[in-house]
Amino acid sequence: QVQLQQWGAGLLKPSETLSLTCSVSGGSLGSYYWTWIRQSPGKGLQWIGEVNYSGNSNYSPSLRSRATISVDTSNNQFSLKLRAVTAADTAVYYCARVQRFPDAFDVWGQGTMVTVSS
Amino acid sequence: DIQMTQSPSSLSASIGDSVTITCRASQTINRYFNWYQHKPGKAPKLLIYEASSLQSGVSPRFSGSGSGTTFTLTITSLQPEDFATYYCQQSYTTPYTFGQGTILQIK
Repeated sequence: QVQLQQWGAGLLKPSETLSLTCSVSGGSLGSYYWTWIRQSPGKGLQWIGEVNYSGNSNYSPSLRSRATISVDTSNNQFSLKLRAVTAADTAVYYCARVQRFPDAFDVWGQGTMVTVSS
Repeated sequence: DIQMTQSPSSLSASIGDSVTITCRASQTINRYFNWYQHKPGKAPKLLIYEASSLQSGVSPRFSGSGSGTTFTLTITSLQPEDFATYYCQQSYTTPYTFGQGTILQIK
């Protein structure tokens, strides 16, 4: 059974870079897309972007200029970097697997709370 | 972006009741549509994919229907573990978008 374990810094200052990693166990990166989703306090879920094992990526237009999602096939991991964070980026960040055709987020990480504060 | 609008935003129900949540898309999305359950401090859980297909391991008390722009999630015989927030999501095109959520509370 595939499981996702995520980690990263939980407290950042404005203008710093958010960096999160998600490790895939019980399966490989191949044949799927892998995604990051966040939930700001008191708000709903927001899709950030996705990447496949070949490194092909797609992003939400609202975050494309600041976000990079990459894959590390040797370690069966994928990562999110979000540059120049502000308080508006404070959220719980989730990694997830994208089940393909039909697309759905079928396996999720445990979530990481990231707070941006000066 | 495709806007997803859920109704109601919250509802109260009793154990054993049945409830229905509706989600509308701002444009047709065929059946590229999913439902998730989210509990505080936990990761969201996929319940229904492709509008009406039950995800493996999910109770058959959950069912989904709809196509085009209007979709529903029905939960029958409510159990204590069903009280949570429910989100709809379109997978028709990126950026994938979610509804604002429906909070299901115990009456």
